[in-house]
Amino acid sequence: ILNVEQSPQSLHVQEGDSTNFTCSFPSSNFYALHWYRWETAKSPEALFVMTLNGDEKKKGRISATLNTKEGYSYLYIKGSQPEDSATYLCAFSSGSARQLTFGSGTQLTVLP
Amino acid sequence: ETGVTQSPTHLIKTRGQQVTLRCSSQSGHNTVSWYQQALGQGPQFIFQYYREEENGRGNFPPRFSGLQFPNYSSELNVNALELDDSALYLCASSLDGGAWAGVLTFGAGSRLTVL
Repeated sequence: ILNVEQSPQSLHVQEGDSTNFTCSFPSSNFYALHWYRWETAKSPEALFVMTLNGDEKKKGRISATLNTKEGYSYLYIKGSQPEDSATYLCAFSSGSARQLTFGSGTQLTVLP
Repeated sequence: ETGVTQSPTHLIKTRGQQVTLRCSSQSGHNTVSWYQQALGQGPQFIFQYYREEENGRGNFPPRFSGLQFPNYSSELNVNALELDDSALYLCASSLDGGAWAGVLTFGAGSRLTVL
């Protein structure tokens, strides 16, 4: 059974603070690691897909890193804004699987 | 047409009933996956359809079944509903029936409540 863990479960930060969350996943038979951003009452939206150890991706103030050997990925948000408030999901796929295995998400609230 | 649309957005059923949830995939996407998200958990994979054939299945019983149509629409059917089937059901389309390096485009989900 594949296990994807995310921490923390929830996080409150002040506007302007930088923050980061962790996603842990099985390090064997790795294929890809996805990050999704999910605002309340909307659809989950893809942020990044990473496949190579050492990958770093960036989109505006949000960036992510990947370590496939030790099985973790970090998502960073620089200078958080209230519109960054959402649940951030990571999802792992192995080479033989058709599906993504999701973590339970980190719920971020950015206070103005 | 862009994006993934799901219907209905909310519905209430009673135990033992049957339900059909519908999804319209993003145009051109030949793969659709269905996920169940129970309260407090991440989405759990139900199954995937690729070119109208089931292409992978998660740990869900046979009373969960699906269909994919040539016009990119799809259905999730659940028979003999149980209380634990209460959840948000997400449809996601993509352009690749193989291993998951491709981005999923999600709908906003159908929230099912079973009483």
